[in-house]
Amino acid sequence: GQQVMQIPQYQHVQEGEDFTTYCNSSTTLSNIQWYKQRPGGHPVFLIQLVKSGEVKKQKRLTFQFGEAKKNSSLHITATQTTDVGTYFCAGPGSGSGNTGKLIFGQGTTLQVKP
Amino acid sequence: ETGVTQTPRHLVMGMTNKKSLKCEQHLGHNAMYWYKQSAKKPLELMFVYNFKEQTENNSVPSRFSPECPNSSHLFLHLHTLQPEDSALYLCASSQSFGGQNYGYTFGSGTRLTVV
Repeated sequence: GQQVMQIPQYQHVQEGEDFTTYCNSSTTLSNIQWYKQRPGGHPVFLIQLVKSGEVKKQKRLTFQFGEAKKNSSLHITATQTTDVGTYFCAGPGSGSGNTGKLIFGQGTTLQVKP
Repeated sequence: ETGVTQTPRHLVMGMTNKKSLKCEQHLGHNAMYWYKQSAKKPLELMFVYNFKEQTENNSVPSRFSPECPNSSHLFLHLHTLQPEDSALYLCASSQSFGGQNYGYTFGSGTRLTVV
Protein backbone atom coordinates (compact mmCIF):
# COMPACT_ATOMS: atom_id res chain seq x y z
CA GLY A 1 0.00 0.00 0.00
CA GLN A 2 0.89 3.66 -0.20
CA GLN A 3 3.54 4.71 2.29
CA VAL A 4 4.97 7.99 3.49
CA MET A 5 8.29 7.63 5.27
CA GLN A 6 10.19 10.17 7.33
CA ILE A 7 13.75 10.25 8.57
CA PRO A 8 15.17 10.60 11.08
CA GLN A 9 12.69 9.40 13.70
CA TYR A 10 14.40 11.43 16.43
CA GLN A 11 16.84 14.32 16.39
CA HIS A 12 18.55 16.01 19.32
CA VAL A 13 20.27 19.31 18.59
CA GLN A 14 21.91 22.08 20.54
CA GLU A 15 20.02 25.35 20.44
CA GLY A 16 21.28 27.35 17.49
CA GLU A 17 22.08 24.33 15.34
CA ASP A 18 20.20 23.58 12.14
CA PHE A 19 17.74 20.71 11.71
CA THR A 20 16.38 18.88 8.67
CA THR A 21 13.73 16.19 8.32
CA TYR A 22 13.13 14.27 5.11
CA CYS A 23 9.92 12.82 3.75
CA ASN A 24 9.61 10.21 1.01
CA SER A 25 6.48 8.86 -0.62
CA SER A 26 6.08 5.55 -2.41
CA THR A 27 3.83 7.31 -4.94
CA THR A 28 3.83 10.65 -6.74
CA LEU A 29 1.92 13.24 -4.75
CA SER A 30 -0.27 16.05 -6.02
CA ASN A 31 0.73 18.04 -2.95
CA ILE A 32 2.43 17.61 0.38
CA GLN A 33 1.57 19.13 3.73
CA TRP A 34 3.57 19.64 6.90
CA TYR A 35 2.27 19.65 10.47
CA LYS A 36 3.83 20.31 13.88
CA GLN A 37 2.71 18.64 17.10
CA ARG A 38 4.03 20.06 20.36
CA PRO A 39 4.45 17.63 23.28
CA GLY A 40 1.02 16.91 24.73
CA GLY A 41 -0.66 18.81 21.92
CA HIS A 42 -2.33 18.12 18.60
CA PRO A 43 -0.98 18.48 15.05
CA VAL A 44 -1.11 21.99 13.64
CA PHE A 45 -1.01 22.69 9.91
CA LEU A 46 2.14 24.52 8.81
CA ILE A 47 2.14 24.61 5.02
CA GLN A 48 1.12 22.97 1.76
CA LEU A 49 3.40 22.57 -1.28
CA VAL A 50 1.89 21.89 -4.68
CA LYS A 51 4.38 22.58 -7.47
CA SER A 52 7.33 20.44 -8.50
CA GLY A 53 10.53 21.89 -7.04
CA GLU A 54 8.61 24.40 -4.93
CA VAL A 55 10.40 26.10 -2.05
CA LYS A 56 8.57 28.05 0.62
CA LYS A 57 9.87 29.84 3.69
CA GLN A 58 8.29 30.70 7.00
CA LYS A 59 10.79 32.70 9.04
CA ARG A 60 13.46 30.13 9.99
CA LEU A 61 11.61 27.21 8.36
CA THR A 62 12.26 26.24 4.73
CA PHE A 63 10.05 23.70 3.00
CA GLN A 64 10.93 22.02 -0.27
CA PHE A 65 8.98 19.75 -2.63
CA GLY A 66 11.05 17.48 -4.87
CA GLU A 67 11.12 17.72 -8.63
CA ALA A 68 9.51 14.29 -8.96
CA LYS A 69 6.91 15.20 -6.32
CA LYS A 70 7.77 12.12 -4.28
CA ASN A 71 9.91 13.71 -1.61
CA SER A 72 10.01 16.76 0.57
CA SER A 73 12.11 18.31 3.29
CA LEU A 74 11.75 20.73 6.16
CA HIS A 75 14.83 22.66 7.27
CA ILE A 76 14.98 24.78 10.41
CA THR A 77 17.79 27.30 10.69
CA ALA A 78 19.22 28.12 14.12
CA THR A 79 16.81 26.05 16.19
CA GLN A 80 15.19 27.47 19.29
CA THR A 81 13.57 25.71 22.24
CA THR A 82 10.18 26.71 20.82
CA ASP A 83 10.87 24.42 17.84
CA VAL A 84 10.57 21.33 20.04
CA GLY A 85 7.92 18.90 18.84
CA THR A 86 7.13 16.29 16.24
CA TYR A 87 7.02 17.28 12.59
CA PHE A 88 4.81 15.27 10.26
CA CYS A 89 4.58 15.29 6.50
CA ALA A 90 1.38 14.10 4.84
CA GLY A 91 0.22 13.42 1.31
CA PRO A 92 -3.14 12.68 -0.29
CA GLY A 93 -4.12 9.03 -0.01
CA SER A 94 -4.23 7.11 -3.26
CA GLY A 95 -7.71 6.48 -4.53
CA SER A 96 -8.88 9.33 -2.34
CA GLY A 97 -11.53 10.42 -4.81
CA ASN A 98 -13.34 13.26 -3.17
CA THR A 99 -12.44 12.29 0.39
CA GLY A 100 -9.45 14.55 0.92
CA LYS A 101 -7.86 11.93 3.14
CA LEU A 102 -4.19 12.30 4.07
CA ILE A 103 -1.56 9.65 4.74
CA PHE A 104 0.89 10.80 7.40
CA GLY A 105 4.54 9.95 7.83
CA GLN A 106 5.62 8.61 11.21
CA GLY A 107 7.05 11.98 12.17
CA THR A 108 10.41 13.33 13.28
CA THR A 109 10.65 14.30 16.93
CA LEU A 110 12.97 17.24 17.56
CA GLN A 111 14.56 17.90 20.94
CA VAL A 112 16.49 21.13 21.45
CA LYS A 113 19.02 21.50 24.26
CA PRO A 114 19.23 25.06 25.58
CA GLU B 1 -9.20 27.01 20.67
CA THR B 2 -8.58 25.59 17.23
CA GLY B 3 -12.06 25.83 15.68
CA VAL B 4 -12.48 22.09 16.17
CA THR B 5 -13.69 21.08 19.62
CA GLN B 6 -13.42 17.55 20.97
CA THR B 7 -14.98 16.20 24.14
CA PRO B 8 -14.12 14.69 26.47
CA ARG B 9 -10.41 15.47 26.68
CA HIS B 10 -9.73 12.35 28.73
CA LEU B 11 -11.72 9.14 29.03
CA VAL B 12 -11.13 5.99 31.03
CA MET B 13 -13.46 3.13 30.25
CA GLY B 14 -13.80 -0.54 31.02
CA MET B 15 -13.89 -3.13 28.27
CA THR B 16 -17.63 -3.64 28.70
CA ASN B 17 -18.56 0.04 28.72
CA LYS B 18 -20.17 2.06 25.96
CA LYS B 19 -19.02 5.63 25.47
CA SER B 20 -19.03 8.27 22.74
CA LEU B 21 -16.50 10.83 21.58
CA LYS B 22 -17.79 14.10 20.19
CA CYS B 23 -16.27 16.46 17.64
CA GLU B 24 -17.66 19.81 16.54
CA GLN B 25 -16.38 22.28 13.95
CA HIS B 26 -17.66 25.72 13.07
CA LEU B 27 -15.21 26.44 10.27
CA GLY B 28 -17.65 25.70 7.46
CA HIS B 29 -15.55 22.75 6.33
CA ASN B 30 -17.17 20.00 4.28
CA ALA B 31 -15.00 17.08 5.39
CA MET B 32 -14.38 15.56 8.80
CA TYR B 33 -12.02 12.79 9.84
CA TRP B 34 -11.21 10.49 12.72
CA TYR B 35 -7.56 9.55 13.28
CA LYS B 36 -6.00 7.32 15.91
CA GLN B 37 -2.57 8.20 17.28
CA SER B 38 -0.73 5.64 19.38
CA ALA B 39 2.88 5.21 20.38
CA LYS B 40 3.31 2.29 18.00
CA LYS B 41 1.87 3.80 14.84
CA PRO B 42 1.75 7.22 13.25
CA LEU B 43 -1.48 9.09 12.68
CA GLU B 44 -3.77 6.33 11.46
CA LEU B 45 -6.82 7.22 9.41
CA MET B 46 -10.05 5.64 10.66
CA PHE B 47 -13.01 7.30 8.96
CA VAL B 48 -13.73 10.09 6.48
CA TYR B 49 -16.98 11.97 6.05
CA ASN B 50 -17.70 14.38 3.20
CA PHE B 51 -20.90 16.44 3.39
CA LYS B 52 -21.93 14.13 6.28
CA GLU B 53 -21.65 10.99 4.10
CA GLN B 54 -19.08 8.36 5.02
CA THR B 55 -16.58 8.08 2.18
CA GLU B 56 -13.85 6.06 3.85
CA ASN B 57 -13.69 3.27 6.43
CA ASN B 58 -10.08 2.23 6.81
CA SER B 59 -10.88 -1.36 7.87
CA VAL B 60 -11.77 -0.23 11.35
CA PRO B 61 -13.16 -2.89 13.75
CA SER B 62 -16.90 -2.70 14.30
CA ARG B 63 -16.44 -1.84 17.97
CA PHE B 64 -15.81 1.68 16.64
CA SER B 65 -18.98 3.16 15.14
CA PRO B 66 -18.93 6.65 13.62
CA GLU B 67 -21.90 8.95 13.22
CA CYS B 68 -22.13 12.23 11.35
CA PRO B 69 -25.55 13.86 11.77
CA ASN B 70 -24.52 17.02 9.90
CA SER B 71 -21.43 18.65 8.42
CA SER B 72 -20.48 20.25 11.74
CA HIS B 73 -20.68 17.29 14.09
CA LEU B 74 -18.96 13.94 14.21
CA PHE B 75 -19.22 11.22 16.82
CA LEU B 76 -17.28 8.05 17.50
CA HIS B 77 -19.28 5.48 19.46
CA LEU B 78 -17.20 2.99 21.39
CA HIS B 79 -18.22 -0.40 22.78
CA THR B 80 -16.44 -3.51 24.04
CA LEU B 81 -13.02 -2.00 23.42
CA GLN B 82 -9.72 -3.72 24.04
CA PRO B 83 -6.75 -2.38 26.01
CA GLU B 84 -4.82 -1.99 22.73
CA ASP B 85 -7.42 0.59 21.67
CA SER B 86 -5.97 2.98 24.23
CA ALA B 87 -4.68 5.95 22.25
CA LEU B 88 -5.20 9.60 21.39
CA TYR B 89 -8.23 9.96 19.10
CA LEU B 90 -8.03 13.03 16.93
CA CYS B 91 -10.82 14.64 14.95
CA ALA B 92 -9.97 16.91 12.04
CA SER B 93 -11.85 18.93 9.47
CA SER B 94 -10.93 20.46 6.12
CA GLN B 95 -12.25 21.97 2.94
CA SER B 96 -12.03 19.18 0.38
CA PHE B 97 -12.71 19.43 -3.35
CA GLY B 98 -11.84 16.99 -6.10
CA GLY B 99 -9.84 14.76 -3.77
CA GLN B 100 -7.70 17.62 -2.53
CA ASN B 101 -7.84 19.25 0.83
CA TYR B 102 -6.39 22.57 1.90
CA GLY B 103 -5.00 21.65 5.30
CA TYR B 104 -6.54 19.90 8.26
CA THR B 105 -7.60 21.64 11.43
CA PHE B 106 -7.28 19.16 14.26
CA GLY B 107 -9.10 19.15 17.56
CA SER B 108 -7.21 18.76 20.83
CA GLY B 109 -8.00 15.04 20.90
CA THR B 110 -9.47 12.61 23.39
CA ARG B 111 -6.95 10.60 25.39
CA LEU B 112 -8.64 7.21 25.77
CA THR B 113 -7.54 4.58 28.27
CA VAL B 114 -9.22 1.17 28.20
CA VAL B 115 -8.88 -0.80 31.43
